[in-house]
Amino acid sequence: AQKITQTQPGMFVQEKEAVTLDCTYDTSDPSYGLFWYKQPSSGEMIFLIYQGSYDQQNATEGRYSLNFQKARKSANLVISASQLGDSAMYFCAMREDSNYQLIWGAGTKLIIKP
Amino acid sequence: GAGVSQTPSNKVTEKGKYVELRCDPISGHTALYWYRQSLGQGPEFLIYFQGTGAADDSGLPNDRFFAVRPEGSVSTLKIQRTERGDSAVYLCASSLKPRDSRSPLHFGNGTRLTVT
Repeated sequence: AQKITQTQPGMFVQEKEAVTLDCTYDTSDPSYGLFWYKQPSSGEMIFLIYQGSYDQQNATEGRYSLNFQKARKSANLVISASQLGDSAMYFCAMREDSNYQLIWGAGTKLIIKP
Repeated sequence: GAGVSQTPSNKVTEKGKYVELRCDPISGHTALYWYRQSLGQGPEFLIYFQGTGAADDSGLPNDRFFAVRPEGSVSTLKIQRTERGDSAVYLCASSLKPRDSRSPLHFGNGTRLTVT
């Protein structure tokens, strides 16, 4: 069974608009972490934001925020005021405390239109 | 401080040749990971080092692939008798606390391997 699901293979968004990238996950481990990474065309995998399973508040990091709904097992990434430089692949990933591995979604290709 | 460094950034080799890919992790990070990423896909786990030892090499596709980390810092991924199907971006990552789910992996820029 897939543990991380990203249902949007691609998205087009107008510059300056907010965008939400979807991510749902599946785990029976009560302690886990959720991560979002950005991969521009240059290939580097850039860590954006982290949400812990026990965190009471949604994580925020600059223009990035995470809409964490634990009961629904979703951890959507919200990018406010999108910029042309936000065009990239975005990956959702999860680590369980019982497993050091990072489990990856298939990614969403985001294209910001001027 | 310096991030994860991978060399070379690009490698073109002929089918059947041997290649080595190098990874220099963030100083102090004991955990080191190798991933392989094909076009349009997420990273695929290859091997994980905790210190000098390979704690999990279950992701290595076959015995042509081998990785070492002799002094617990720099790691080398070695591929023998390369095949065209080995063409991919090879990503290295390190983390400070591998058993802590809060500890993110920090990635290098990757090595793009092309086997002709």
